[in-house]
Amino acid sequence: SQKIEQNSEALNIQEGKTATLTCNYTNYSPAYLQWYRQDPGRGPVFLLLIRENEKEKRKERLKVTFDTTLKQSLFHITASQPADSATYLCAPGGNNRLAFGKGNQVVVIP
Amino acid sequence: GAVVSQHPSRVICKSGTSVKIECRSLDFQATTMFWYRQFPKQSLMLMATSNEGSKATYEQGVEKDKFLINHASLTLSTLTVTSAHPEDSSFYICSAREKDVAYGYTFGSGTRLTVV
Repeated sequence: SQKIEQNSEALNIQEGKTATLTCNYTNYSPAYLQWYRQDPGRGPVFLLLIRENEKEKRKERLKVTFDTTLKQSLFHITASQPADSATYLCAPGGNNRLAFGKGNQVVVIP
Repeated sequence: GAVVSQHPSRVICKSGTSVKIECRSLDFQATTMFWYRQFPKQSLMLMATSNEGSKATYEQGVEKDKFLINHASLTLSTLTVTSAHPEDSSFYICSAREKDVAYGYTFGSGTRLTVV
């Protein structure tokens, strides 16, 4: 069965440092992978999409990599700020199905 | 940007009754909408894919007779929790996509269902 693995334990990081989150997937051959942010009690908000032929994608302080051989995506938040504290979800795409991993919780400490 | 409106935001119902949750795409048409359930401090679990004009596709383990999905128009999908029980109490949320997937999916604000 298809699986999306994210470390659901909170990542505590000092303000200003870079947070790196990992998303691994199995039994997927995604044409793209999406990352979302979710705050408590709210729906996810789309952040970035990276396609299978892209190695890296950037948006402001965010950077995503996609390694289809390793079946892994890394999500980086540079110069982290307390406002970045949230849960980050990855979703391998395709087949008209949008499923998420458990999410990586990030806590940025001032 | 794209807006997905979800109603109600909160609902309390008695055990054994049914509850309908609406998900509307505002100013855009959505042939596909997704429905999710999230328990406190748990992950967002995909329940079903709602397809306009055809039957919904349910995820493994989700009872289609209990969670009725109707996608009768290109802007409206409904989820009805039938014969609700306290264990159905959860956060239900829908999503849809307006443009190319490169712009991602937009989520509704969610419905907090409490069954007493």
